[in-house]
Amino acid sequence: DTGVSQNPRHKITKRGQNVTFRCDPISEHNRLYWYRQTLGQGPEFLTYFQNEAQLEKSRLLSDRFSAERPKGSFSTLEIQRTEQGDSAMYLCASSAGQGNEQFFGPGTRLTVL
Amino acid sequence: KQEVTQIPAALSVPEGENLVLNCSFTDSAIYNLQWFRQDPGKGLTSLLLIQSSQREQTSGRLNASLDKSSGRSTLYIAASQPGDSATYLCAVWMDSSYKLIFGSGTRLLVRP
Repeated sequence: DTGVSQNPRHKITKRGQNVTFRCDPISEHNRLYWYRQTLGQGPEFLTYFQNEAQLEKSRLLSDRFSAERPKGSFSTLEIQRTEQGDSAMYLCASSAGQGNEQFFGPGTRLTVL
Repeated sequence: KQEVTQIPAALSVPEGENLVLNCSFTDSAIYNLQWFRQDPGKGLTSLLLIQSSQREQTSGRLNASLDKSSGRSTLYIAASQPGDSATYLCAVWMDSSYKLIFGSGTRLLVRP
């Protein structure tokens, strides 16, 4: 399968724990995006990478959130000291260039108890 | 600030009907517009991408139009089928940004 992949698909954690999600983009895509989606809403932008450089971060991305793309390939999104309000679907997307079609992964559903 | 609105929020139709989903945006300085489909609990599947210089795109039974000056796009689905039941999302990419801005979606149910 050459699409965007995300792991894990589901994560249940207790409040206060740290969690890390991984995204593997389509191999030739240099642009990678993270979005968050809550029930009944459209996805909201979190952050964007071009190769290994993080070029834009949303104000939604508090200091408890950090994202990396160390070698310009896969990316990780870490949430520290999780809160119940962090419960959501975390979506990763990739694209090949400016204005090009974004392709999304299956998402990681986070539940914070 | 760009705002994207989708109407209606939910739609239920009998199988075989042709239908139109609407998307409007407040800032016409968009680079492109993309329509997605999302099945419950799943990721997004890209349906159509319309560049700002284009008026429409077609793929099979789907046709998307774009009127940039009026801030509107429509997704036309011909001869709807139960398998079309899903949430349909539109999203715009601004000239000055790297991100997609999404509407809240239209939840479609096609009844057999």
